Amino acid sequence: GAVVSQHPSRVICKSGTSVKIECRSLDFQATTMFWYRQFPKKSLMLMATSNEGSKATYEQGVEKDKFLINHASLTLSTLTVTSAHPEDSSFYICSARGEGNTEAFFGQGTRLTVV
Amino acid sequence: GEDVEQSLFLSVREGDSSVINCTYTDSSSTYLYWYKQEPGAGLQLLTYIFSNMDMKQDQRLTVLLNKKDKHLSLRIADTQTGDSAIYFCAEMIGGFKTIFGAGTRLFVKA
Repeated sequence: GAVVSQHPSRVICKSGTSVKIECRSLDFQATTMFWYRQFPKKSLMLMATSNEGSKATYEQGVEKDKFLINHASLTLSTLTVTSAHPEDSSFYICSARGEGNTEAFFGQGTRLTVV
Repeated sequence: GEDVEQSLFLSVREGDSSVINCTYTDSSSTYLYWYKQEPGAGLQLLTYIFSNMDMKQDQRLTVLLNKKDKHLSLRIADTQTGDSAIYFCAEMIGGFKTIFGAGTRLFVKA
C-alpha cells in the first residue's frame, strides 16, 4: 500500500510552547488528509479534515485556533498545537487519501507529551 | 447519528479462531473497514468491505456484514501471537468521513 510518513514520532514540549507535526504522503498525491487524536484506551477522534489548498473543516468541539492545520501541497499537511497544555498530551495520527480512493493510509502517529 | 461500537477485549488461544464484532449506526455507510494497531504504532488497514457485500475473505481474514442489523465482524483463522493488537472497526460515511470504534484489544495466549 501507499506510504504516509508522520514526523516526529515522539515529542516532549513545555507548557505554553507550540509543536508542529508533519504528515507526508510519499508515493501518492493526497487530496484529503485527516487528523485524529487518540486518547488512552479510547477510539480515534477525528479532529479535522483538510483538502489541499483550502481551509480545514474541524469537527465539533475542536478548537481551530489551538489546532492549526495547513495542507499546502498534495503531499504535506501539518498540525500545529499552539500554546500546548498538559491536557493536549495525546497520540495524534494523520491519514491521507488520494483522489477517488476508498482507502486512507495512516501515518505512524506522534506521541505528544506536554510537561 | 454516527457511532461505532465494539467490545473492548478478546482473549483466544493460539491456533483458535478469533471473532471481533462491531455495530454501527449510520445506514449511509459506503465502506466498512478493519484496522490493526500494534503498540505505539499507527494504524494498518487489514481489509475493507463495500456496503453492498455480505462477505469478504482474504487469506486468514473473513469479514461478514449484516447490513440490516448494521453488524460487522472480523474472523481471524488460526490466530497467532503476532495477531495480538488492537483492532478498530470503522465506517466511511458520506463517501468522505471515517468514524472509528473504540478498538478491541486481542490477546493471544500461547
